[in-house]
Amino acid sequence: ETGVTQSPTHLIKTRGQQVTLRCSSQSGHNTVSWYQQALGQGPQFIFQYYREEENGRGNFPPRFSGLQFPNYSSELNVNALELDDSALYLCASSSAAPYTDTQYFGPGTRLTVL
Amino acid sequence: KQEVTQIPAALSVPEGENLVLNCSFTDSAIYNLQWFRQDPGKGLTSLLLIQSSQREQTSGRLNASLDKSSGRSTLYIAASQPGDSATYLCAVTQGGSEKLVFGKGTKLTVNP
Repeated sequence: ETGVTQSPTHLIKTRGQQVTLRCSSQSGHNTVSWYQQALGQGPQFIFQYYREEENGRGNFPPRFSGLQFPNYSSELNVNALELDDSALYLCASSSAAPYTDTQYFGPGTRLTVL
Repeated sequence: KQEVTQIPAALSVPEGENLVLNCSFTDSAIYNLQWFRQDPGKGLTSLLLIQSSQREQTSGRLNASLDKSSGRSTLYIAASQPGDSATYLCAVTQGGSEKLVFGKGTKLTVNP
């Protein structure tokens, strides 16, 4: 069974640029959630995709957007990067809504915005 | 708005000690509570999930309890080992919600 994978591992961007992060969900999982974790903080929910449709969004501006593909992999896009976007970005997959099932997390992408 | 608090923020213990990590949440209407482990700069590993109808879950040296009415959970680690050193996060989900709400974590150091 393949776990959740994310790419790239690390990324350095400058303010104002755009970035795309990728996530491959665990085999058999149709739900992907994205979280932002600033240093020393707990992860904050960005949004979730279920069967290619957005299924909830946290308190993040529209410049954070996402996609889920037919194979249930997902992308997180961030436009007009700001210094505060520097964080570890985590994706998690599950086979049902989060309130019924364990979520499995990937290793994360460390984004640094200079 | 659900808020999750973890106490203490950091804990250092000698190897072999039994220890308890605490998690509290403000809204008792949760569906489940999960405990995660996070190694420095890494992703989260799920340790235990407790459904709202359950009182506790056990896995090896780990035991998690849930008291929904008081908004509290504890993670008990028996006979701690240096390999247990990590940050432990608890998170809750609520009915009709699709997100996990996390605490800031407890950083555990087990000294040989």
